[in-house]
Amino acid sequence: GAGVSQSPSNKVTEKGKDVELRCDPISGHTALYWYRQRLGQGLEFLIYFQGNSAPDKSGLPSDRFSAERTGESVSTLTIQRTQQEDSAVYLCASSYGIQETQYFGPGTRLLVL
Amino acid sequence: AQKVTQAQTEISVVEKEDVTLDCVYETRDTTYYLFWYKQPPSGELVFLIRRNSFDEQNEISGRYSWNFQKSTSSFNFTITASQVVDSAVYFCALRSYKLSFGAGTTVTVRA
Repeated sequence: GAGVSQSPSNKVTEKGKDVELRCDPISGHTALYWYRQRLGQGLEFLIYFQGNSAPDKSGLPSDRFSAERTGESVSTLTIQRTQQEDSAVYLCASSYGIQETQYFGPGTRLLVL
Repeated sequence: AQKVTQAQTEISVVEKEDVTLDCVYETRDTTYYLFWYKQPPSGELVFLIRRNSFDEQNEISGRYSWNFQKSTSSFNFTITASQVVDSAVYFCALRSYKLSFGAGTTVTVRA
């Protein structure tokens, strides 16, 4: 795979349901990031993983949000008990290291009804 | 604390006009990186350029050029002879201890 991939590309869910968003980083990239982009707005940092270090969760907006990463591969962002304000595009990015350029996936468009 | 400000929310031009996007940043760190990303209507963020804080040389890549001025904490981006395909949202970003994005500037190029 040449780039960062994310699935699903679109997700519609009902308020109160849990959702899982998946990110496959570029092979060899040790750092992985999640961002949220609300309609017409900039990117909001959520969380990043760097190798085996403890993740930086400082951007997670509430305890309904969590993320996991298996080694230096796939990551899953979970939103529990979704709210309408969670509707946004969730972008994943990866890089060789935390100081290196981040390359972004196409995003998952989440709509909470 | 760090911050990126893109004062221009929207810019609309006619094809072949030049467009300059402003970016002003704040950071207390002496070592940092600056980036520009393009987000076309398809939504995917495309990396355009990265510049470290010790390299103030301006850069030109085809119709794109960047002017980094540390004295004014600015990293402006110019598209020369704009084309319709340049229509997108452009984000400036700063990385010191974390990556912070500006709010973006929407560029619309009309034929």
